[in-house]
Amino acid sequence: DAGITQSPRYKITETGRQVTLMCHQTWSHSYMFWYRQDLGHGLRLIYYSAAADITDKGEVPDGYVVSRSKTENFPLTLESATRSQTSVYFCASSDRLAGHNYEQYFGPGTRLTVT
Amino acid sequence: TQLLEQSPQFLSIQEGENLTVYCNSSSVFSSLQWYRQEPGEGPVLLVTVVTGGEVKKLKRLTFQFGDARKDSSLHITAAQPGDTGLYLCAGARTSGSRLTFGEGTQLTVNP
Repeated sequence: DAGITQSPRYKITETGRQVTLMCHQTWSHSYMFWYRQDLGHGLRLIYYSAAADITDKGEVPDGYVVSRSKTENFPLTLESATRSQTSVYFCASSDRLAGHNYEQYFGPGTRLTVT
Repeated sequence: TQLLEQSPQFLSIQEGENLTVYCNSSSVFSSLQWYRQEPGEGPVLLVTVVTGGEVKKLKRLTFQFGDARKDSSLHITAAQPGDTGLYLCAGARTSGSRLTFGEGTQLTVNP
């Protein structure tokens, strides 16, 4: 039971480069989310998706692109990385089931450093 | 913007002590969730409270949802070093799947 996985776990990239963070879940959850976590800011929502081919912006979407061609995958792309995007990125998924309240299940995170 | 404020931001206590963490908002939430995050890992769901005034217990942890569904508290009895971590509260709106997260309370329990 893999649950939700993220890759890579650690990434160092240079300013201006494009980098893609991968997220895969095995539960067939409808919803998927990307957050960044920084000291003093908590978890901030970047983008989310309600289903395949449906995505929407969160609080801090600038500089990021997402796609969701398959229910189980939700990649996050930094088109031209900046130092301000150095952060820990978490992917999460959830589903609206009877008796549940959009509880989210998180991946282990990707620590991204932009030099 | 619906904000959730957590207090205290940092808490360092000795093993065996009791503690309470608060999560407050001026907005009403349909439910409120508590997560715990350990270093190098993602947040893990502890509990969801849905009804105003609801109290849930998880071993030594007691969670309460305010009567007006605007605030919540987490009480830990006889804290253990294994309770160390970042505790996050998150509120769900009356519709939609997005959660609003508090900034977290970093708890350290010293042996």
